[in-house]
Parts: sequence; structure tokens; C-alpha cells
Amino acid sequence: AQTVTQSQPEMSVQEAETVTLSCTYDTSENNYYLFWYKQPPSRQMILVIRQEAYKQQNATENRFSVNFQKAAKSFSLKISDSQLGDTAMYFCAFMRANTGNQFYFGTGTSLTVIP
Amino acid sequence: EPEVTQTPSHQVTQMGQEVILRCVPISNHLYFYWYRQILGQKVEFLVSFYNNEISEKSEIFDDQFSVERPDGSNFTLKIRSTKLEDSAMYFCASSDNRILNSPLHFGNGTRLTVT
Repeated sequence: AQTVTQSQPEMSVQEAETVTLSCTYDTSENNYYLFWYKQPPSRQMILVIRQEAYKQQNATENRFSVNFQKAAKSFSLKISDSQLGDTAMYFCAFMRANTGNQFYFGTGTSLTVIP
Repeated sequence: EPEVTQTPSHQVTQMGQEVILRCVPISNHLYFYWYRQILGQKVEFLVSFYNNEISEKSEIFDDQFSVERPDGSNFTLKIRSTKLEDSAMYFCASSDNRILNSPLHFGNGTRLTVT
């Protein structure tokens, strides 16, 4: 079974500063995908960034980037130049590379950006 | 950009009643899912659906739950006899697995309150 662990239930960051959210996972699979989803107060789940396990290069999407360490099974999210709109729950998710596409989510990190 | 739509946004029902949650996935997507999120907890997988049949389901998805794609656009989740513990946010999602690394696209969710 796959498990995803987010060890930081809550975090805060000053506006314009940088924050890193941690995520570790456990799997015996070699081919998989990792995602970060954002859930603002509206409760909608919004895809932030994704990473293929076979790629060594870390994914980047504007102010969002990841530090993917496959051997350590670590997948952290870095948010640069934090904005008030970044305030949300952030969920790390794991997806096996086969049919069915079941996602395994972590318990989430509640991020507050302080003005 | 096409999106997943869910109705209603909020459903209140009495314990023991049947409830149907409705979803319209993105039109060219092939995989459909239901997830739930009990307030303050992580997003949990319920079921995935492909080619008009269930491809995976979790332990949560017991005999009280069923899914259906009654026509070419809708995807429904039925709970036959609701319990208090079914109160949660229910998210529908779809993905296009013809595209490598296709992420889940979530709807805005239906908040189910069982009284």
C-alpha cells in the first residue's frame, strides 16, 4: 500500500517570503507521479504542480517548485514570493502509473500567509 | 478551460434517506472518480470508474454506495441509506488517461450533511 505523510499540520509565512512544505511517501513502485493540490477556503481542489518519478529534474510552475528526492521518497513544495492568495490547505498526492489512477493524499498542511 | 461540475453544492438529508450526488466530468475524459473529505481530514478515495464499470474501490465504498453513468455526460454517486458519518464533502474528479501523467481535475464538491 502507498502512504503519503505531511508532517506539518500548520505553517505560516510572511507575505513575499519563501516557505517549504514537506511531504514524504512510501511505495514499492518504481514508476509513479506526485502532485501538490491546493484547497482554498472555497474547498475546491486545484492542481498546483506535478512531478514524474522518472524525471530527475525538479518541476517548476511560476512561484511554485518542488524538491524531489526519489531515494529519500521526499517531495517538498517551495512557494516563493508568497501571496495572500496562497493561503490554503495544501495536499501532497501520489499516483501509481497504471490504470485506475487512484490518488493517495496526505493529511494536508494548512498554510497561512501573513500580510 | 473545461471543468468538472457538481450539483448540488450543498445537500441536507435525514439519516436513513437515499441521496444522489451528481457530476458532469470533462467531456473527453475517460476516468471518473469520487473522493470524500470529512471536515478537517484528508481527502479519501472512494471509487474509480472506467469503461462503464468500477475499476477500483476503497474499503469505504461498501454496499451502501453505488455509482452510475446513466447517460453520456453524468456520473452519479448514490448512498442508499445515509448515516451520520456520511456527512462530508464529496468531490467528483475526472482524468484523461490518454495523456501521460494526466492529473485529476476536481469539481467544486458537494457538501453532504446528514441529520
